[in-house]
Amino acid sequence: GESVGLHLPTLSVQEGDNSIINCAYSNSASDYFIWYKQESGKGPQFIIDIRSNMDKRQGQRVTVLLNKTVKHLSLQIAATQPGDSAVYFCAGVPWGYQKVTFGTGTKLQVIP
Amino acid sequence: DARVTQTPRHKVTEMGQEVTMRCQPILGHNTVFWYRQTMMQGLELLAYFRNRAPLDDSGMPKDRFSAEMPDATLATLKIQPSEPRDSAVYFCASGLVTSGSNEQFFGPGTRLTVL
Repeated sequence: GESVGLHLPTLSVQEGDNSIINCAYSNSASDYFIWYKQESGKGPQFIIDIRSNMDKRQGQRVTVLLNKTVKHLSLQIAATQPGDSAVYFCAGVPWGYQKVTFGTGTKLQVIP
Repeated sequence: DARVTQTPRHKVTEMGQEVTMRCQPILGHNTVFWYRQTMMQGLELLAYFRNRAPLDDSGMPKDRFSAEMPDATLATLKIQPSEPRDSAVYFCASGLVTSGSNEQFFGPGTRLTVL
């Protein structure tokens, strides 16, 4: 029978290239936005967050950009490595509350 | 290396049976979350505790699911009776509510299969 499920958008990137993963959100009440990484068979892992009054934040090899005008969030990974292969989720967190609403995710495949 | 632990890692049971999943949050964390992940729905928040008090369980089917924190080192999620549609991976996560900290630490999950 037909298998029905979430169709995760997939991004394939050559090892060493930069990756850009995008996320659109609808809830303007979010005070923070977070990126999580989930490797196969594991729980999600926090990567980086950004407060809604910022438009850019950098971490180690990762940069998150926030465009509140168009309600768009992106995660940039520099010099993508095979270990970066995973599903990446964006999430919004309202002020004063840790209730996280996750997006559907993007699968990143790194080609060696 | 502090981490969230969950037991069991895998559970196969028959429809109608009670299922209990356990979680040990990271010592010192004051918030605990239960999530469910399926291919159809993605990652959903079921319940959320702060300082062991339930703050939000609106994502949880009330008639069969219950979540508790008997003490600061143990969180439980029970399903009674279980149904095939409950088959999913259940994640527990813990965090510390402080200014500027949004990080939640996830456990490895319990993969539940209800036949």
